[in-house]
Amino acid sequence: QKEVEQNSGPLSVPEGAIASLNCTYSDRGSQSFFWYRQYSGKSPELIMSIYSNGDKEDGRFTAQLNKASQYVSLLIRDSQPSDSATYLCAVEGPGGYNKLIFGAGTRLAVHP
Amino acid sequence: GAVVSQHPSWVICKSGTSVKIECRSLDFQATTMFWYRQFPKQSLMLMATSNEGSKATYEQGVEKDKFLINHASLTLSTLTVTSAHPEDSSFYICSARLGGGQETQYFGPGTRLLVL
Repeated sequence: QKEVEQNSGPLSVPEGAIASLNCTYSDRGSQSFFWYRQYSGKSPELIMSIYSNGDKEDGRFTAQLNKASQYVSLLIRDSQPSDSATYLCAVEGPGGYNKLIFGAGTRLAVHP
Repeated sequence: GAVVSQHPSWVICKSGTSVKIECRSLDFQATTMFWYRQFPKQSLMLMATSNEGSKATYEQGVEKDKFLINHASLTLSTLTVTSAHPEDSSFYICSARLGGGQETQYFGPGTRLLVL
């Protein structure tokens, strides 16, 4: 079992719709969770961090965390073509040590 | 805030030469920096964790004698690819951890290496 799993996609949504990206992780002790966006040919950029169960909203983005289910998600409301990118889920590595374990990423395509 | 730079942004070199890549945290001090490699259409692969003033910790399968890492100050880490070969051609990305109990990593823009 991979430590951080994401559906590779592509996830295709129409402009204006809600895009839902999901991620599961294997280390029950993880405390820190992150979503990064990576455009083709570019490095990842941080979108959201979440540390507590529940929802965290920032503009059009909402991160959701359920530690009991070992599940973290990212919702993008009013999706725009500029949101088309690969979204990487990252989870604090086993035992801390500051490492982040990245999922393979989900490719999102927002079509006009 | 939390800006990380990398230099150079791209480099082309001949097989057998060494290439040094710099990673700088511009507006914060980073006791820990990370080096990743990404091949086309693949995810990030952590190569090593770089701690200021101490030896880097390499991930399994990464040759420490080939990928030399130096973290001499709180704002600078360098990765040297020694005796580069075409199979080392990749996108090398560094990140810096904000610290203060936060695990957030901020990424540099990356360095694209092409070894001929």
